[in-house]
Amino acid sequence: KTQVEQSPQSLVVRQGENCVLQCNYSVTPDNHLRWFKQDTGKGLVSLTVLVHENDKTSNGRYSATLDKDAKHSTLHITATLLDDTATYICVVGDRGSALGRLHFGAGTQLIVIP
Amino acid sequence: EAAVTQSPRNKVTVTGGNVTLSCRQTNSHNYMYWYRQDTGHGLRLIHYSYGAGNLQIGDVPDGYKATRTTQEDFFLLLELASPSQTSLYFCASSDARGGNSDYTFGSGTRLLVI
Repeated sequence: KTQVEQSPQSLVVRQGENCVLQCNYSVTPDNHLRWFKQDTGKGLVSLTVLVHENDKTSNGRYSATLDKDAKHSTLHITATLLDDTATYICVVGDRGSALGRLHFGAGTQLIVIP
Repeated sequence: EAAVTQSPRNKVTVTGGNVTLSCRQTNSHNYMYWYRQDTGHGLRLIHYSYGAGNLQIGDVPDGYKATRTTQEDFFLLLELASPSQTSLYFCASSDARGGNSDYTFGSGTRLLVI
C-alpha cells in the first residue's frame, strides 16, 4: 500500500509563476520529511528537511511546511525558472526502523515553460 | 568533494545474464542503500548496509544480492537477470538515521534486460 501520496502527478506553469506541490502520507511513526529534486535521468538532490510539528523551512525560492497532525506537507516554489523543470519527490522517514527507513512518493513532474 | 559514484551509467544484458552494479561513496557515511526506480512508483529499497560486511534486506530483495566490501563500496548483484529487473538503480549513503541525516544519492545506473 502506498504510504506517501503526492499531488498533482504533473504540473505545467509559466516561467515566473508560483506553484505548490502537495504530499500526504500515512507513515507511522513519522520522524522527518524531505523534499528532493530529481532532474530527468539524474540522482535526487535534497531541497529541505522538516522534522518538527508545524516546521517551516526556506531555501531560496523553495519553502516547505509540515503538519504532522494532518500528515501533510507542501512545497512552494516562487518565481519559477526553466531550470525548475524536474520531478519533485516527497520522502518520509520512519523512526521505527533501526536504519531510519525512507518511504518515497512517486513524485510530481513539474514543467516550466517560457 | 564528498560524493556517491555509481558505475556503469548504463548497462544492457540478456535474460539470465550476470550483472554487478557498483557504488562508491567518499562521504565517510556508515549507511549505504540500493534502490530501484520505476515509472509510477516511488524509489523502492532493495538492500542496505550499516557497515563493511553488514547486509540488510530491503522491501524488494527478490532476485538481488548485495555485498558491502568496505566502508566505501557497496555492490548489487543480479545473478540471473530477468526483464522485470529493467529499471533505474540508485545507490545512496547516509550518516545517521532520523531528521539530521545527510543523504547523498548517486546519479543512477540504467539497466536494460532483454
